[in-house]
Amino acid sequence: DTEVTQTPKHLVMGMTNKKSLKCEQHMGHRAMYWYKQKAKKPPELMFVYSYEKLSINESVPSRFSPECPNSSLLNLHLHALQPEDSALYLCASSPFQGDKHFGGDTQYFGPGTRLTVL
Amino acid sequence: DQQVKQNSPSLSVQEGRISILNCDYTNSMFDYFLWYKKYPAEGPTFLISISSIKDKNEDGRFTVFLNKSAKHLSLHIVPSQPGDSAVYFCALDTGGFKTIFGAGTRLFVKA
Repeated sequence: DTEVTQTPKHLVMGMTNKKSLKCEQHMGHRAMYWYKQKAKKPPELMFVYSYEKLSINESVPSRFSPECPNSSLLNLHLHALQPEDSALYLCASSPFQGDKHFGGDTQYFGPGTRLTVL
Repeated sequence: DQQVKQNSPSLSVQEGRISILNCDYTNSMFDYFLWYKKYPAEGPTFLISISSIKDKNEDGRFTVFLNKSAKHLSLHIVPSQPGDSAVYFCALDTGGFKTIFGAGTRLFVKA
């Protein structure tokens, strides 16, 4: 299984709603990532979990709350979002290999969740 | 300040010809470089990579060239096929899990 799956594919929510995005991988990868991508822009890193611990938080507003329940699952909890948070949210995972010269740490992306905040 | 620049937002190539996508970076500390391909409604897919100890890496129709002195990376696709039409992102692995993506180049391969 070389897939990263994300649910839901599309999500529309109001500014007072609470929702969650889910991501799952069964490749035994030890690093998992959340990215945000706006139209015609590159993916922007939000959070990284390695070995189920939060390693990187790129100064993301607290209305986004990540959670890594186990090594295969990654959630992104959403609360009180703003319309400008509307974007494609991508999950990725990587094996986390220490020596880049022997293959590096390629990330495998899911298809994304298209989020619209009204 | 953009650390990774893909100055061509789009590129159009005839089927069978060579596609050359370019990428410039600013920080000479980067030591691992990747290209990802993205189709509409899908996440980016890893295509090919190169480490700073090499200047060329080839995988089938795809070749990545690295010019460290010029801080320049290029992806060559030959021969180009209509199925190669996608957005191509240059990406730099800064180490410590952080990957910085360029803005992307949309490639159109005409049949």
